[in-house]
Amino acid sequence: DSGVTQTPKHLITATGQRVTLRCSPRSGDLSVYWYQQSLDQGLQFLIQYYNGEERAKGNILERFSAQQFPDLHSELNLSSLELGDSALYFCASSATVRGPYNEQFFGPGTRLTVL
Amino acid sequence: GEDVEQSLFLSVREGDSSVINCTYTDSSSTYLYWYKQEPGAGLQLLTYIFSNMDMKQDQRLTVLLNKKDKHLSLRIADTQTGDSAIYFCAATGTASKLTFGTGTRLQVTL
Repeated sequence: DSGVTQTPKHLITATGQRVTLRCSPRSGDLSVYWYQQSLDQGLQFLIQYYNGEERAKGNILERFSAQQFPDLHSELNLSSLELGDSALYFCASSATVRGPYNEQFFGPGTRLTVL
Repeated sequence: GEDVEQSLFLSVREGDSSVINCTYTDSSSTYLYWYKQEPGAGLQLLTYIFSNMDMKQDQRLTVLLNKKDKHLSLRIADTQTGDSAIYFCAATGTASKLTFGTGTRLQVTL
């Protein structure tokens, strides 16, 4: 158990809909990262937050957005869903944001299926 | 930016050694990591190596780093069926951004 929790575990929805994925980082970790894992794209970094502020952006679509709240939990919002958005979405957390050592602890993921 | 490449698939027999390879492009990468993803689970850090080291051993795991060629490998001795998983190589530079490879699926056969 990494200490990172994600809800829900599975989500099935229809094209055009909007969903929210939730992540609670490990106790004390200030950084939260979101990743998308699909069969054809592999593991793609989406976005990072540190202590409530956006710190880095990866291959995140404009239809997707995220935020980190004062209690450090984070939400990833996916809107106008398309079939190609079906994937595993992982949240990870780490204690450090500066310095080269960056061990990230991953949650179990949310499997999103868009029908 | 950093680019990390791995072969997609490796099949070995139980009891043999597995060697998973990775190449990276950013010569300023200071830490290199191996993560393991078991079926239906998130990634878990297996081991890491600092760029001033050539080798690191941790029980059945041996990490070799060739900084000149920007090549990293993970050797698993006496591979077991429980080692079947996807293995991700990852690297961080000075900005602490972690870049993952594509993952290598290790299949262990009896």
